[in-house]
Amino acid sequence: AQKVTQAQTEISVVEKEDVTLDCVYETRDTTYYLFWYKQPPSGELVFLIRRNSFDEQNEISGRYSWNFQKSTSSFNFTITASQVVDSAVYFCALSEGGASGSRLTFGEGTQLTVNP
Amino acid sequence: KAGVTQTPRYLIKTRGQQVTLSCSPISGHRSVSWYQQTPGQGLQFLFEYFSETQRNKGNFPGRFSGRQFSNSRSEMNVSTLELGDSALYLCASSPQGAGYGYTFGSGTRLTVV
Repeated sequence: AQKVTQAQTEISVVEKEDVTLDCVYETRDTTYYLFWYKQPPSGELVFLIRRNSFDEQNEISGRYSWNFQKSTSSFNFTITASQVVDSAVYFCALSEGGASGSRLTFGEGTQLTVNP
Repeated sequence: KAGVTQTPRYLIKTRGQQVTLSCSPISGHRSVSWYQQTPGQGLQFLFEYFSETQRNKGNFPGRFSGRQFSNSRSEMNVSTLELGDSALYLCASSPQGAGYGYTFGSGTRLTVV
């Protein structure tokens, strides 16, 4: 069975600090996809990144970066020079079954608060 | 390009009633899935429809049902509402599945009193 664990329930930082959100997953599939979503107070889940199990390259997008390590089953997310607008709940998710996988399993979420 | 549209945004129902939620996916997306979000259980998968067929189902009682129409729009129905059904219900659409990414709507917040 697939499982995603986000051990950090809440993180509070001061603006301009770097922050890393941890995500550990469990799956028996060899083909799977990992995701990060952001949920602001409005409630909508905003897509941040999708990574398939065959691509272990790290990715950087502006102030965001992701570190995918299959050896430790982790897919961590780092925000560099955090800003108040980054305050939100962040979810890591896993989908098994290849490209046609139809079910996301979410972690518990990490509430990030960035203080001015 | 319009996003995923969910209606209504807010809903208040009485215990024992039934409710229907609607989701219009992004044009061209054939997969529509539904999730329930509560403070206690987090985000849980309800079901997914692809080309009008239910392709996957989560661990929810039979009171929760859904369907998808030929234009890919989807509805979710909850019968005999219970207080514990109060939640944010999120709909997501994708061209074909996880490999193509999921886009979520803003959700319908259901309150059962």
